[in-house]
Amino acid sequence: DSGVTQTPKHLITATGQRVTLRCSPRSGDLSVYWYQQSLDQGLQFLIQYYNGEERAKGNILERFSAQQFPDLHSELNLSSLELGDSALYFCASSVGISGGQDTQYFGPGTRLTVL
Amino acid sequence: AQSVTQLGSHVSVSEGALVLLRCNYSSSVPPYLFWYVQYPNQGLQLLLKYTTGATLVKGINGFEAEFKKSETSFHLTKPSAHMSDAAEYFCAVTFRQGVAGTASKLTFGTGTRLQVTL
Repeated sequence: DSGVTQTPKHLITATGQRVTLRCSPRSGDLSVYWYQQSLDQGLQFLIQYYNGEERAKGNILERFSAQQFPDLHSELNLSSLELGDSALYFCASSVGISGGQDTQYFGPGTRLTVL
Repeated sequence: AQSVTQLGSHVSVSEGALVLLRCNYSSSVPPYLFWYVQYPNQGLQLLLKYTTGATLVKGINGFEAEFKKSETSFHLTKPSAHMSDAAEYFCAVTFRQGVAGTASKLTFGTGTRLQVTL
């Protein structure tokens, strides 16, 4: 158990819908990262937050957005869903003070299926 | 830009045999290198990482990796495979950030699925 929790574990929805994925980082971790894992794209970085502020964006679609709240939990919002958005979405957290070398601890993921 | 290449999407070894999973990286600045393992229907678990210092890094479950700058490699090895090692393994790279909390996204390779046979 990494200490990172993600809900829900599975999500099945229809095209055009909007969903919210939730992540609670390990106690004491200030950085939260979101990654997408799909068969065709592999593991791709989406976005990072540090202590409530967005710090980096990767290959994140404009239909997707995220935020980190004062209690440090994070939510990833996916809207106007398409079939191609079906994937495993991981949240990871790290202490965030070591300039890149700190370990990122991954949650169990949310499997999103868009029908 | 950083990138990681994992040679061999599938590797099959016999139980008790040497495990060698290959990873080569490309980075214009000194890298930090990681190996993660993913068991079926689970998240990623850190096996080991190289940041600075000793280039031979020991990790959990008997795995180790050696950072070779001249070869831009960070291959993962285990002397004797066990059935429980069957999983997908990912090599990843990031690099030093000067400011706390600055982006340290992981760039992953495409993964190597390890099969262990009797």
